[in-house]
Amino acid sequence: AQKITQTQPGMFVQEKEAVTLDCTYDTSDQSYGLFWYKQPSSGEMIFLIYQGSYDEQNATEGRYSLNFQKARKSANLVISASQLGDSAMYFCAMREGLASGTYKYIFGTGTRLKVLA
Amino acid sequence: EPEVTQTPSHQVTQMGQEVILRCVPISNHLYFYWYRQILGQKVEFLVSFYNNEISEKSEIFDDQFSVERPDGSNFTLKIRSTKLEDSAMYFCASSPQGRPRDEQFFGPGTRLTVL
Repeated sequence: AQKITQTQPGMFVQEKEAVTLDCTYDTSDQSYGLFWYKQPSSGEMIFLIYQGSYDEQNATEGRYSLNFQKARKSANLVISASQLGDSAMYFCAMREGLASGTYKYIFGTGTRLKVLA
Repeated sequence: EPEVTQTPSHQVTQMGQEVILRCVPISNHLYFYWYRQILGQKVEFLVSFYNNEISEKSEIFDDQFSVERPDGSNFTLKIRSTKLEDSAMYFCASSPQGRPRDEQFFGPGTRLTVL
């Protein structure tokens, strides 16, 4: 079974509108972390936002927010007021078993977002 | 702002040759990682490194792969005998500590092409 599932291979959004990128995860661990990264066409991986499994509040970082629904095991990224520069590939990643000291990320397959002028 | 650097940006090699991919992590970071991304596919974990030894590795990281921190600043990934399927983007990453919310800072990647 996939640990991280991103069901939207591609998304379009109009400039200045909000968009939600879906991410569901599968883990039996109680302590884990969820991350979103942006990968522009230049290829680098840019950290956007983090959500810990025990965090009670949804994470926010500027125009990025994470809609964390623990019972549904979903961690959707919301980008508000989309800009042309938001066009990129977006990856959801998980670190599971934090109590056991594992450090690796498990990535989803990504969603390619295109912002339209 | 400190950043992870990687050299070369693009490496072309013949099948069966050895390659060494180089990374300079952020200077006060303690945990280092290698990931790879085959073109158009997801990013896959290869190995993590802490305190001069491997702390985790994936099934991809077989005997053909090795990592080293030769001089306290560089962190290298060696592929002993490259195969066509090793063609990918290889990302180095580092994080300050192993705290749960410590994000990993990624380098710009090395694109490896095996002919």
